[in-house]
Amino acid sequence: SAVISQKPSRDICQRGTSLTIQCQVDSQVTMMFWYRQQPGQSLTLIATANQGSEATYESGFVIDKFPISRPNLTFSTLTVSNMSPEDSSIYLCSVGRSANYNEQFFGPGTRLTVL
Amino acid sequence: AQSVSQHNHHVILSEAASLELGCNYSYGGTVNLFWYVQYPGQHLQLLLKYFSGDPLVKGIKGFEAEFIKSKFSFNLRKPSVQWSDTAEYFCAAADRGSTLGRLYFGRGTQLTVWP
Repeated sequence: SAVISQKPSRDICQRGTSLTIQCQVDSQVTMMFWYRQQPGQSLTLIATANQGSEATYESGFVIDKFPISRPNLTFSTLTVSNMSPEDSSIYLCSVGRSANYNEQFFGPGTRLTVL
Repeated sequence: AQSVSQHNHHVILSEAASLELGCNYSYGGTVNLFWYVQYPGQHLQLLLKYFSGDPLVKGIKGFEAEFIKSKFSFNLRKPSVQWSDTAEYFCAAADRGSTLGRLYFGRGTQLTVWP
């Protein structure tokens, strides 16, 4: 399995500001994923990040709000832009291992609170 | 689109009791199925997975799950729970034919085991 770290582990932010979350993997991976887990809810995929191409966003998520970078095979960032209290959530990155990337390993998550 | 439902949001058991957590998915094609577990303060980690073959799969820590195609179910079981099994359990499904790696999660079941 891959070892995945995220920074920051938690943050409290003011409305209207932006926060960039970093995800670092200890091995090279093709696909990385960003999820959101809102309080009492399940994990929802935000976008898939392939190295060398634009991120693919799920319905309901847009690049202007959640820009993603994937500069190399071990690193990705997710920015939550122009935050509102509704963005308070846990944000997780994951990496896919198997040939079709279904089997995923998750980072520890970033707990974001927006005031 | 796929969806995954977990029947119980919170299950409370005494040690040595038997456990069964329900999971149903909605998708007409072939699927890969997963159970993930999140212990308090820890990462989300893979408990077990079903890709193909024997529909009864065994995972870590004595857990097992049975894939019943006719019922679109993948219930998690353990014959005798321990206090250390207290955690949140997530069922997830993915389209086996897809290379996009998109996982669909249920809302999770919080299991509390009393010693």
